[in-house]
Amino acid sequence: DGGITQSPKYLFRKEGQNVTLSCEQNLNHDAMYWYRQDPGQGLRLIYYSQIVNDFQKGDIAEGYSVSREKKESFPLTVTSAQKNPTAFYLCASSIQGTSGGTSSYNEQFFGPGTRLTVL
Amino acid sequence: DAKTTQPPSMDCAEGRAANLPCNHSTISGNEYVYWYRQIHSQGPQYIIHGLKNNETNEMASLIITEDRKSSTLILPHATLRDTAVYYCIVRVKGYSTLTFGKGTMLLVSP
Repeated sequence: DGGITQSPKYLFRKEGQNVTLSCEQNLNHDAMYWYRQDPGQGLRLIYYSQIVNDFQKGDIAEGYSVSREKKESFPLTVTSAQKNPTAFYLCASSIQGTSGGTSSYNEQFFGPGTRLTVL
Repeated sequence: DAKTTQPPSMDCAEGRAANLPCNHSTISGNEYVYWYRQIHSQGPQYIIHGLKNNETNEMASLIITEDRKSSTLILPHATLRDTAVYYCIVRVKGYSTLTFGKGTMLLVSP
């Protein structure tokens, strides 16, 4: 089955610790994205990557880091510099990133999310 | 800046049509209207998108006004499983990222 997976589903960390959230997709999608969602709010973009070995900051990148060494994987590290890391984190992928006329059809497919709680 | 405006919540009886409105009065000619929904504690799910013509798929219909300043997502026969937050998003053609607002919480009741 093709899809996008995130692990773990629930994650707890102590304040001051870095933690890495996993995101894997076997859809052969070029672009991948990380969003953060707080209770009662919409999603906010943290980072995105349109191709391997390249990524761009989203709206709230401070305190986060990413890598894109493989097409299938886009891990997100929540560093100790992130002042309020407790949130629901969602990963997504799409066929292509910025491009010409066909990019309007590249809807994003989302993973199930990881709920991070800082104790 | 909010590019879309949606009511915070709506109710619908099971089996009836759910009509979810969205205002996007500042939409430009190269922006598409997208709809996603998010069931509680899950990732959002793509529903439908359009530019200026009305669109229909197996999940829903999208009606866009002629001036493109507003649209309506229609779920023709709502079920309890359609209870979710529905997001209306405008996105520039050729641009990959999505900007989510707070959406509309649709509650379908028996």
